[in-house]
Amino acid sequence: GDSVTQMEGPVTLSEEAFLTINCTYTATGYPSLFWYVQYPGEGLQLLLKATKADDKGSNKGFEATYRKETTSFHLEKGSVQVSDSAVYFCAPGGSNYKLTFGKGTLLTVNP
Amino acid sequence: GAVVSQHPSWVICKSGTSVKIECRSLDFQATTMFWYRQFPKQSLMLMATSNEGSKATYEQGVEKDKFLINHASLTLSTLTVTSAHPEDSSFYICSAQLERGYEQYFGPGTRLTVT
Repeated sequence: GDSVTQMEGPVTLSEEAFLTINCTYTATGYPSLFWYVQYPGEGLQLLLKATKADDKGSNKGFEATYRKETTSFHLEKGSVQVSDSAVYFCAPGGSNYKLTFGKGTLLTVNP
Repeated sequence: GAVVSQHPSWVICKSGTSVKIECRSLDFQATTMFWYRQFPKQSLMLMATSNEGSKATYEQGVEKDKFLINHASLTLSTLTVTSAHPEDSSFYICSAQLERGYEQYFGPGTRLTVT
């Protein structure tokens, strides 16, 4: 079945630092790829997505590029803010429209 | 738009009793809803897929007689944990799909504590 390996946290950064959260996956076929974010006390929200190889998803300053050759979808942000503190989940979407979630990475950004 | 609610947000029940959790899509019709379980500091584990008007499809290892799912309408799915035990204590999250595709909209979750 599909699986996801996501960089384990917690990750603690200072404001304006550069962020990378690594994500690699195994899946049959060519899945769509997603990053979800869970802010404290809230439900998961879609952060960004990419549906085919070399696509770049972006939102709120975050970016991730669908790398088929390395089966990766690493999340990056050039300058994090305190408000970015949350848990981030990588999730490939399988052929049956189900999502397989990584373990999540807790990000804490200090002022 | 695309808001999903869950009720209750937190419930405590005694061992052996049953508890029902509701998941509602507030501003759209969801043909498919999903139920997940999340353990502390761990990922979401898909429990079952619920389609309106039909029986839920359970993932391997999930007891369908223990976790009863009913998707009675296009805006409501319920999860009933029957004869709850302390090991059922967890965070239960639902999501809804607007249409057949990948994007899911998640509810805020329900924390169940069984004493």
